[in-house]
Amino acid sequence: QSALTQPASVSGSPGQSITISCTGTSSDVGSYNLVSWYQQHPGKAPKLMIYEVNKRPSGVSNRFSGSKSGITASLTISGLQAEDEADYYCCVYAGSTIVVVFGGGTKLTVL
Amino acid sequence: QVQLQESGPGLVKPSETLSLTCTVSGGSINSYFWNWIRQPPGKGLEWIGYIYYNGNTNYNPSLKSRVSISVDTSKNQFSLELSSVTAADTAVYYCARHGTITNFDYWGQGSLVTVSS
Repeated sequence: QSALTQPASVSGSPGQSITISCTGTSSDVGSYNLVSWYQQHPGKAPKLMIYEVNKRPSGVSNRFSGSKSGITASLTISGLQAEDEADYYCCVYAGSTIVVVFGGGTKLTVL
Repeated sequence: QVQLQESGPGLVKPSETLSLTCTVSGGSINSYFWNWIRQPPGKGLEWIGYIYYNGNTNYNPSLKSRVSISVDTSKNQFSLELSSVTAADTAVYYCARHGTITNFDYWGQGSLVTVSS
């Protein structure tokens, strides 16, 4: 089954910017502009932060942005705030057989 | 505002069938795709499968032999059945909606299901 690789953890200080990567293959990230990112606080359901690579749902801060290059998608958070501390998951469409795959998740710590 | 709520037993015995229902309120189930996603304690998210209101389904290949998702449009509900469960199926089970695939815009609060004798 398709696997997406995310760093286990990233950290940054308030006000700084961080980037979380999500590396897949030419069959998933590299083939479709169907990459989304989810924020999950402890004990809560995931929240959609970015969809279709770089689109933000209504109500999501413009400090969150997404991009993609080749087989790697990225989530960038600028102007880090304490409330951004959470787990972040990428999610991609992997074709009609495998369909949907989540990355392993990245724990963001705001120092 | 669309809301989703999972319901079902919190404890299932090994080898038995796990059954959960998701009730959709604030909107009709007669559009969009309706998903089940799970998260073992301390681990990441795993997509289980989805159903369209007309009954069309798509499942994670790794679970396909044990999964069935059904829909009851008259009750605005959809359900999950996972057979022959083991301890590895212990997880928080979420129901979620998508319009375009991978865009899970509404989620239930999650339901912890423990597999244990």
